[in-house]
Amino acid sequence: GAVVSQHPSRVICKSGTSVKIECRSLDFQATTMFWYRQFPKQSLMLMATSNEGSKATYEQGVEKDKFLINHASLTLSTLTVTSAHPEDSSFYICSAPRTSGYQETQYFGPGTRLLVL
Amino acid sequence: SQQGEEDPQALSIQEGENATMNCSYKTSINNLQWYRQNSGRGLVHLILIRSNEREKHSGRLRVTLDTSKKSSSLLITASRAADTASYFCAASGGSGNTPLVFGKGTRLSVIA
Repeated sequence: GAVVSQHPSRVICKSGTSVKIECRSLDFQATTMFWYRQFPKQSLMLMATSNEGSKATYEQGVEKDKFLINHASLTLSTLTVTSAHPEDSSFYICSAPRTSGYQETQYFGPGTRLLVL
Repeated sequence: SQQGEEDPQALSIQEGENATMNCSYKTSINNLQWYRQNSGRGLVHLILIRSNEREKHSGRLRVTLDTSKKSSSLLITASRAADTASYFCAASGGSGNTPLVFGKGTRLSVIA
């Protein structure tokens, strides 16, 4: 079946550094990918929609200059957390939709846990 | 904005009992999905029910959908300790190119 991978799975960084998270669709192409954020004991909140070949669409309250999204190819979207601070510590999950016939399915990556010290 | 609301937020039951979780949503949907998440881990897709379906079964899972009330329920029968996890409903408003909107989730604890 379709698989979406994320790298790294876990990252610890110092405050002020930038962190790049990759989301890859391994056996299908995805012109759109979604980035979610999940704080402890909370649900997933959509951050942005990543569009191949065009600018990402950000949800209200998400700073586009802080969370840089690049969808450079049909199988890769990257999320860069710039100048990370402790409040950015969270679980970041991407998803990619795939349509097969009439079936539309969202495939989720395993997530990236970010801890900013 | 978050569309789904789960009820209850936390549920603790004995092994062997049934667990029922409810979800409400606010706008029209194409389908509603249920996911499971173990602590600190990724999402596991459990079941999808389309807007024109009223009930669906998968193993020990039973999902119902009432579009008139904009609500869904997930029933886990004969629960096991391994069912301990958080369960989320996620509403899809359109095609696969639209994001899922997740509910707040129910934390289920099954005590052996």
